[in-house]
Amino acid sequence: AQRVTQPEKLLSVFKGAPVELKCNYSYSGSPELFWYVQYSRQRLQLLLRHISRESIKGFTADLNKGETSFHLKKPFAQEEDSAMYYCALFDGNQFYFGTGTSLTVIP
Amino acid sequence: KAGVTQTPRYLIKTRGQQVTLSCSPISGHRSVSWYQQTPGQGLQFLFEYFSETQRNKGNFPGRFSGRQFSNSRSEMNVSTLELGDSALYLCASSLEPGEQYFGPGTRLTVT
Repeated sequence: AQRVTQPEKLLSVFKGAPVELKCNYSYSGSPELFWYVQYSRQRLQLLLRHISRESIKGFTADLNKGETSFHLKKPFAQEEDSAMYYCALFDGNQFYFGTGTSLTVIP
Repeated sequence: KAGVTQTPRYLIKTRGQQVTLSCSPISGHRSVSWYQQTPGQGLQFLFEYFSETQRNKGNFPGRFSGRQFSNSRSEMNVSTLELGDSALYLCASSLEPGEQYFGPGTRLTVT
């Protein structure tokens, strides 16, 4: 069963506009959720994890257990934010990744 | 610290052949996970090794196997290659559960 869903394959926003990348999950226990990012010609890297509750590069993500969501948000998008973003769930044994959202920030 | 390294970076094989991919984790990391990444399916978990033992396994056929050595280096083997095995194979190492560091991947093309 699909554990992590990222409904948008592609997302384009203008520089300075707010951005929200959606992530929904299905899991009966208490999940650990992550956002990973892959910039052009770079390897996949951890952006943030929900338990740390910190903001990285201006991005935040709040775990909403009622809506089973973990959307990634940034109030003002920058051109360097253009990348592929993956939402991931860790169930204590393995990771389940969404299919990713390609974000393009238009200058 | 040096990051996760994977060799080779690119590989072209013929249907029916077998292939072995290698992954060297970050020094001190004892957990190594393998993923298959394709445009349609995204990242799919293959298996995880910890201290030379397979700790978790994803939903892949038995043609996909792996092992880990005492120095934590890991290898992944795919036998009887099929066209659908063409993908980017990623390795990730971790020190603690839940935080992974990825390698650059091995791009496998099966013709």
